[in-house]
Amino acid sequence: DTGVSQDPRHKITKRGQNVTFRCDPISEHNRLYWYRQTLGQGPEFLTYFQNEAQLEKSRLLSDRFSAERPKGSFSTLEIQRTEQGDSAMYLCASSLRQGSNEQYFGPGTRLTVT
Amino acid sequence: GQQVMQIPQYQHVQEGEDFTTYCNSSTTLSNIQWYKQRPGGHPVFLIQLVKSGEVKKQKRLTFQFGEAKKNSSLHITATQTTDVGTYFCAGRRERDDKIIFGKGTRLHILP
Repeated sequence: DTGVSQDPRHKITKRGQNVTFRCDPISEHNRLYWYRQTLGQGPEFLTYFQNEAQLEKSRLLSDRFSAERPKGSFSTLEIQRTEQGDSAMYLCASSLRQGSNEQYFGPGTRLTVT
Repeated sequence: GQQVMQIPQYQHVQEGEDFTTYCNSSTTLSNIQWYKQRPGGHPVFLIQLVKSGEVKKQKRLTFQFGEAKKNSSLHITATQTTDVGTYFCAGRRERDDKIIFGKGTRLHILP
């Protein structure tokens, strides 16, 4: 296992379309996080899972966003009816529950909404 | 809104000079982590501090956690071109266990 992977790396979509991103965490990690990062800002927390349970969802996340982790392994993040303001880098990170809780980030999916 | 403030936003230093970035939280943190993000890259974990007043060193990097567990600093001695990037602190709020990232300090090294 070489780390956290995300797919696709880049996505260009038209306003109003739906998009779905995938994250494959490090295999033994039971915590999975989604963040959004825009230029000049730090990662902004969106949601996190412990195994298959979604334990927290940011209040900043509108109803157009949904995330799943059906088998406690990979996760998907879907954005419905995309808006230009959704353009950002979407980062996934995973960690072990115990220990240092350090988060290992994936390379991100860069979304551009035109 | 942003509850973990990080300063400065940008820092330009001559190669060989020291660099410090500061992180301040409005609320007590159970721990704080530091990450480095190279241009075009993703955040990479550097260290976690847990104890009040804790100081940790990694070669030329020194990390401190304040006595009140509300602030932290990262100091780099004798910067090198490989230190270029954005340094983020990420605090875990004690009251609700949420992780809040600072906006980062972007370090640029002048040759």
